[in-house]
Amino acid sequence: EAGVAQSPRYKIIEKRQSVAFWCNPISGHATLYWYQQILGQGPKLLIQFQNNGVVDDSQLPKDRFSAERLKGVDSTLKIQPAKLEDSAVYLCASSPTGQQIYNSPLHFGNGTRLTVT
Amino acid sequence: TQLLKQSPQFLSIQEGENLTVYCNSSSVFSSLQWYRQEPGEGPVLLVTVVTGGEVKKLKRLTFQFGDARKDSSLHITAAQTGDTGLYLCAGANQAGTALIFGKGTTLSVSS
Repeated sequence: EAGVAQSPRYKIIEKRQSVAFWCNPISGHATLYWYQQILGQGPKLLIQFQNNGVVDDSQLPKDRFSAERLKGVDSTLKIQPAKLEDSAVYLCASSPTGQQIYNSPLHFGNGTRLTVT
Repeated sequence: TQLLKQSPQFLSIQEGENLTVYCNSSSVFSSLQWYRQEPGEGPVLLVTVVTGGEVKKLKRLTFQFGDARKDSSLHITAAQTGDTGLYLCAGANQAGTALIFGKGTTLSVSS
């Protein structure tokens, strides 16, 4: 099966600019996650979708970050305006269902590396 | 707040050596997972442990879940250069539907 696809792989922008990332999950996977991974740290959950509805966005900085999954398949994550501290790898993951993690493991894409200068 | 602390943060060893990395929390987790992440790639699941005291083996890797389900360890026997990477432990959040990650252990195995 094809894996989780993300684009672009790399993005360099100046602070206060906007940027968008795209994710195409594994076909048929109902649950989609966006994680932020700052260099030297583990991934931090930003938002979780179940089909096209938001399950958890408690750690999403909503004043500058937004995400959508309009048709329950692809998703976009946007940052506007970007800050220096947003420099990180943005990982998208999907899982077959929104049920217990131990029997519905996450599949990660290779991420988008964002550098804000 | 559920937090996972991993130690050591960095580990540099020679090929053939054994090593253990640890994942600890003050919270009880319903399950814990271990992932390995290589540069430029996303994390890849190695194992899921669910039952307190559980031990799982994956070739040269041995995973243990603490009896109280608050900690876990990963032991690698006779490390190889291909084991180099970032090892992440992750626990299910309280809803059981998303993962909370530790900061990871960066392992470097040299020949």
